[in-house]
Amino acid sequence: GQNIDQPTEMTATEGAIVQINCTYQTSGFNGLFWYQQHAGEAPTFLSYNVLDGLEEKGRFSSFLSRSKGYSYLLLKELQMKDSASYLCAVRDLLDTGRRALTFGSGTRLQVQP
Amino acid sequence: EPEVTQTPSHQVTQMGQEVILRCVPISNHLYFYWYRQILGQKVEFLVSFYNNEISEKSEIFDDQFSVERPDGSNFTLKIRSTKLEDSAMYFCASSQGFDQPQHFGDGTRLSIL
Repeated sequence: GQNIDQPTEMTATEGAIVQINCTYQTSGFNGLFWYQQHAGEAPTFLSYNVLDGLEEKGRFSSFLSRSKGYSYLLLKELQMKDSASYLCAVRDLLDTGRRALTFGSGTRLQVQP
Repeated sequence: EPEVTQTPSHQVTQMGQEVILRCVPISNHLYFYWYRQILGQKVEFLVSFYNNEISEKSEIFDDQFSVERPDGSNFTLKIRSTKLEDSAMYFCASSQGFDQPQHFGDGTRLSIL
């Protein structure tokens, strides 16, 4: 099975940088995804890491260390609209060919003026 | 930008009734998924579908659930005899390949009375 941990809530100030951590335990790691979810809306894809290192995409970056079972999402130049839940999701690739994502509980980020 | 569309946006049904949730995945995507999210809880995988058959399903996806691709564009989730605990937001997602990001629709809010 899988175990994904991320902080429940974080608060940050507009214009600042925030790092949201995710740790996971899985038996056949095959990729880690970050999604943004505003209240009452669908998850929106942000980033994908399958190899170790940093992936940068505008104001958002995501880092992965497979040996440590650890990822983080970095948000720069925070804007009020970044207030949302950020979901860490891990994909296993087992003998069964499982391709589905297992989601963490999400980190609710509140951006303050 | 192409998107996954789901109908209806909100479905209210009496307990014990059958319900069909509809999805139109992105047209060049080959992998389709259903997830659900009970209010305030994490996104949970239900089923994945590829090449006109189920490729993976979770423990939640019991005999009361079924999926179908009745034509070249629609992908449906049927719940045969709904229970109160089926009340949730149901998200459809699709991806181009199994290692590609999954794109989510806006969801159907299912309320069982």
